[in-house]
Amino acid sequence: NAGVTQTPKFQVLKTGQSMTLQCAQDMNHNSMYWYRQDPGMGLRLIYYSASEGTTDKGEVPNGYNVSRLNKREFSLRLESAAPSQTSVYFCASLWREATGELFFGEGSRLTVL
Amino acid sequence: AQTVTQSQPEMSVQEAETVTLSCTYDTSESDYYLFWYKQPPSRQMILVIRQEAYKQQNATENRFSVNFQKAAKSFSLKISDSQLGDAAMYFCAYRSASWLGGKLIFGQGTELSVKP
Repeated sequence: NAGVTQTPKFQVLKTGQSMTLQCAQDMNHNSMYWYRQDPGMGLRLIYYSASEGTTDKGEVPNGYNVSRLNKREFSLRLESAAPSQTSVYFCASLWREATGELFFGEGSRLTVL
Repeated sequence: AQTVTQSQPEMSVQEAETVTLSCTYDTSESDYYLFWYKQPPSRQMILVIRQEAYKQQNATENRFSVNFQKAAKSFSLKISDSQLGDAAMYFCAYRSASWLGGKLIFGQGTELSVKP
């Protein structure tokens, strides 16, 4: 099925551990995004990649790194997880450049103890 | 910096009734897009409706319509004949037409419950 696939769907980490959230899209979209969703704060942009080989910071990039491995894949890495990074993470790709409509993955729930 | 504000954390509507969700935004730009996304309990984000700022006509998609007031920077969503399946979190979002890559800025969300 075409779409945006995120792995893992759930993860529990201890403070200081590292992990990578994987995202892949099979729709040949150029632009991809990582958002985090927290209660009362909506979705906030962490990083985005307008095209293969480029990445840019969003609103809340501290504590994260990203890699645009190829056109399909855009990963998000937490080098040293903190409790403040407990959140639901969404990967998205840009469906239509002209209008900015995003196609979202199903989300990954991360808990940092 | 552009901001999007949804001042209603929660709303409730009776089945078959009409409800309006509010959204305001702040921008100095004249060309942009506005969106309403729906997030049901499954967590999947679903695009409900889109409005281009240069269009004066309000967008409509079946039971969903918007009231776009550009001068007031207001973008409300009206849901008519509410159904149980409309229960979800609704997010208003803004995108500048000049932003390469189309990043969206989201509001805080409004949790809509539908009573049978």
